[in-house]
Amino acid sequence: EAEVAQSPRYKITEKSQAVAFWCDPISGHATLYWYRQILGQGPELLVQFQDESVVDDSQLPKDRFSAERLKGVDSTLKIQPAELGDSAMYLCASTWDRPNTEAFFGQGTRLTVV
Amino acid sequence: AQSVSQHNHHVILSEAASLELGCNYSYGGTVNLFWYVQYPGQHLQLLLKYFSGDPLVKGIKGFEAEFIKSKFSFNLRKPSVQWSDTAEYFCAVNLRGSQGNLIFGKGTKLSVKP
Repeated sequence: EAEVAQSPRYKITEKSQAVAFWCDPISGHATLYWYRQILGQGPELLVQFQDESVVDDSQLPKDRFSAERLKGVDSTLKIQPAELGDSAMYLCASTWDRPNTEAFFGQGTRLTVV
Repeated sequence: AQSVSQHNHHVILSEAASLELGCNYSYGGTVNLFWYVQYPGQHLQLLLKYFSGDPLVKGIKGFEAEFIKSKFSFNLRKPSVQWSDTAEYFCAVNLRGSQGNLIFGKGTKLSVKP
């Protein structure tokens, strides 16, 4: 069964350092999402891509977060500099390029900022 | 603003007990509705979805949910839970006809005692 791949699974970084997460969606899925899930909360959207274009980044803290999907396939989410409050699970999801479809999620990257 | 409310933070049941997890949403428009499950150490997986048609939806592993439009609700049910149903359950919604951002509830942790 096809899966959304994410790496690393776990990341510990010091405050003010840079950190990056990688996501490879299910083959053929044009839409890719990055979500952040704080402990005890549901996932919240950070950024949505359609192919290589950003569709929605209204909730992305652009002073420190950036995301790219240069070739419209895999994607990288970067935080620079990391802050203590960025400790969370970062989830990637993808969907087919059609309406009314379900999202498939990766296993996530658990980030701890110390 | 769009929101999803899950009424129970943590539910503890014995095996064979019946389950009902509440979900209410607030959304300006016609919606798609989802229940996702996250087993310990695993990724979010789709349990069931409602796009249109019969408001009683059957999902995997014996779960079902009923969409009651007048109550803005999409409660999840299972007649007899098993120890293996121990997991966190998330209700989510997005706009009908879109591939848009899922709005998640905060989740309900289900613990089933053997």
